[in-house]
Amino acid sequence: AQRVTQPEKLLSVFKGAPVELKCNYSYSGSPELFWYVQYSRQRLQLLLRHISRESIKGFTADLNKGETSFHLKKPFAQEEDSAMYYCALRVAGANNLFFGTGTRLTVIP
Amino acid sequence: NAGVMQNPRHLVRRRGQEARLRCSPMKGHSHVYWYRQLPEEGLKFMVYLQKENIIDESGMPKERFSAEFPKEGPSILRIQQVVRGDSAAYFCASSPRQGDSSPLHFGNGTRLTVT
Repeated sequence: AQRVTQPEKLLSVFKGAPVELKCNYSYSGSPELFWYVQYSRQRLQLLLRHISRESIKGFTADLNKGETSFHLKKPFAQEEDSAMYYCALRVAGANNLFFGTGTRLTVIP
Repeated sequence: NAGVMQNPRHLVRRRGQEARLRCSPMKGHSHVYWYRQLPEEGLKFMVYLQKENIIDESGMPKERFSAEFPKEGPSILRIQQVVRGDSAAYFCASSPRQGDSSPLHFGNGTRLTVT
């Protein structure tokens, strides 16, 4: 069965420091991976997805099939990056997403 | 486009009562998904619906829970005879089509508290 694991519930970094939010998945087929973000008092929104290979708000994520990981990275954290981050997986042919438990990122000024 | 609208934002019910959660998808979206988030857990898929059809209800508890998405009006998640363990945040999401890579658009959620 498919599963998404985010090992860190809480992560604190100083402003300007690099940040990496870990995400590992288990799925035997070809997955589609997403990162969603929820800022304080806002709805969950898409940050980026692996098929787009894009950088959003300075964040990037590379799908590593060998390590079954999709870690989210940013070289220099900003205070406005403080939020809850969820990694999600969609299996081939399906529409629904499987979510990890989320990581709360706090950027310390 | 107002986005996915969920109401109420907060709902308090006593044990044994019924809870009705409503979700209006984004304009032009005909696919609706319900997720539940229990304290300290991630979002868990419950059910996926199109207009007048349940496509996948593999995440729905077998009893007391039901969902519909009528031809007219919002999608409804109904919980009968609520128990304390039903207390959670319930999120609705929508997408325009099936089988493509459209991301899901989420509502603000309904926080259900069972006393």
